[in-house]
Order: sequence, then C-alpha cells, then structure tokens
Amino acid sequence: GAVVSQHPSWVICKSGTSVKIECRSLDFQATTMFWYRQFPKQSLMLMATSNEGSKATYEQGVEKDKFLINHASLTLSTLTVTSAHPEDSSFYICSALGTSDYNEQFFGPGTRLTVL
Amino acid sequence: GQNIDQPTEMTATEGAIVQINCTYQTSGFNGLFWYQQHAGEAPTFLSYNVLDGLEEKGRFSSFLSRSKGYSYLLLKELQMKDSASYLCAALDSNYQLIWGAGTKLIIKP
Repeated sequence: GAVVSQHPSWVICKSGTSVKIECRSLDFQATTMFWYRQFPKQSLMLMATSNEGSKATYEQGVEKDKFLINHASLTLSTLTVTSAHPEDSSFYICSALGTSDYNEQFFGPGTRLTVL
Repeated sequence: GQNIDQPTEMTATEGAIVQINCTYQTSGFNGLFWYQQHAGEAPTFLSYNVLDGLEEKGRFSSFLSRSKGYSYLLLKELQMKDSASYLCAALDSNYQLIWGAGTKLIIKP
C-alpha cells in the first residue's frame, strides 16, 4: 500500500516551453501532497505544499507563477514548470502525506527535467 | 533558525557496522525520520523515532535523544547495496519536514 507514482520519469524540453509533471497516489487518498526539487549532491528542497481543493502554499523564494500547482482531486497533484529555462533543470520529487500517526510522507519516483 | 547537521560522506567496509549521526535544531519537534536515497531515485522510508531510545528493524536501527537533539542510524552487516545517501529529517511543530543534506555512504569490498 501507499504507492505514489509520477509521470513522466524524465523529460527533455527546449528553453521557453512548459512542462507538466503529474503525481498520483495510487491506493490511498492524499489531501496533502508536497513538491520537492533536488539539485545534484544536495538535499531535498521543499517547493510547495499542495492541498486538495485549495491553493498551494509556496516556500519562500519559489515563484508561484512559474511553478503552477494544481491539486484538483484526492489522488492527483500536478506541477507545471512554465517557460522553463536551463536553471530549472533538476530532479523534481512529489510526496503524499499518509494517514499514519506520524505523518509519514510517501515519495514518488521523481522526474528528471532537463531544459536545453 | 532550523537546522539539521549530518556528515557529508562516510566510508565503510562490506560486512562491517556504520553509525550515521544527525543533530537537529527545530521549532518544535514531532519526530525524526531517516530515509535512504540511491542515486537518481526518490527517498525511501527507513525509520521514524519520536520517543527516546533505540528502534531496531532488521539490519537497521535508529536512535533518538530528544534532550540532546541527536539521532543516529546504525547499519549492521553492511552490503554493497547499502551504498546510498542517508537523509535525516525532523518534523517541526508545523509538521513540516526539515531535511538534512544527506550522508553519502560508500561501501568498499
């Protein structure tokens, strides 16, 4: 149980295009999902907290107009990187908050984005 | 501010034991997680501690001292597949995970 999928696994795009990444909780309902970004040899950096049916809460320094988050259902959250640039190239990981007593996060496999 | 400290890199020998330490300073505390992350993959859950003491789970054990703001992950009978980064993360009063930078563990034959 508690499986989270992400699609696509990797994507290469041209500078200026937009890329959508999907995060799905496959066997449980997730009212809260998180989006992280991880640069090589660095730890996870929380970008935003996504709550079903409401606006996402963005961390300081993360542009909400550039990283659009939609959490329209209890099993799906999407992250759209708009007008992507090479500096947006990174490993994007989503997680879904489980229902255990200790707020365990279940991670998706990640999406590697390369912007040319 | 909130801060998690753990060593950047450690090296150990196959079959041996290694202890990865983590110290934390957070606004409130609701538990500490250890995750394993292989290169190019997402983190996978290893352990959660919220009470003082040692939690043992097979070859892996995790220890917590809340008064000292300290935790460690103990890996026994090391295998080559244990080569990975180990991430320490503390849950603050807002139930937000504060992540350490990770410890890269290199296992040598």
